[in-house]
Amino acid sequence: AQKITQTQPGMFVQEKEAVTLDCTYDTSDPSYGLFWYKQPSSGEMIFLIYQGSYDQQNATEGRYSLNFQKARKSANLVISASQLGDSAMYFCAMREGSTGGFKTIFGAGTRLFVKA
Amino acid sequence: DVKVTQSSRYLVKRTGEKVFLECVQDMDHENMFWYRQDPGLGLRLIYFSYDVKMKEKGDIPEGYSVSREKKERFSLILESASTNQTSMYLCASRMAGATNQPQHFGDGTRLSIL
Repeated sequence: AQKITQTQPGMFVQEKEAVTLDCTYDTSDPSYGLFWYKQPSSGEMIFLIYQGSYDQQNATEGRYSLNFQKARKSANLVISASQLGDSAMYFCAMREGSTGGFKTIFGAGTRLFVKA
Repeated sequence: DVKVTQSSRYLVKRTGEKVFLECVQDMDHENMFWYRQDPGLGLRLIYFSYDVKMKEKGDIPEGYSVSREKKERFSLILESASTNQTSMYLCASRMAGATNQPQHFGDGTRLSIL
């Protein structure tokens, strides 16, 4: 069965430093997609970055990059040069391509605190 | 810009009431979803709809039903509200097809059942 694990309930980082948020997943489907979303205290979920299982390169979007290690089934989010506005909940999610159909499953989330 | 609108940000209801949560998207997306979010549990799928008048149970459908009469609107119904349904409810939509399509979310409804 598909599963997403985020083992860090909370993380602290100093402003302007980089931080890595962990995500491991479990699936038997060779085709899948991995997503990261940000949820500020206001509640809306914001899509950050996507990595496909067949993508050769790690995904990058501005200050966000995804450290994709397929053999270890991990998809860690790296935020470079943290800003105060990065303080939020972060969710890792997975959608299986061939068997998951329409469903996406989410991890429990990591709350990031950026310190000035 | 894409937009998913949920009818209420905050809602307070009493046990036993029938509660309607409405969600409208303006992106002509085929797929729509209802999740509930609880601390430490992430987002759990209640129901989803892959097209008009189509619906499928998610992981926690008990006590809920849905309606999708028009493509842009997906309603979540709590048939007889109970206190354990106090939660944050999130609606999302997505273009059908490729795995790489992200979901677009509304701002959420914080529902309290007293």
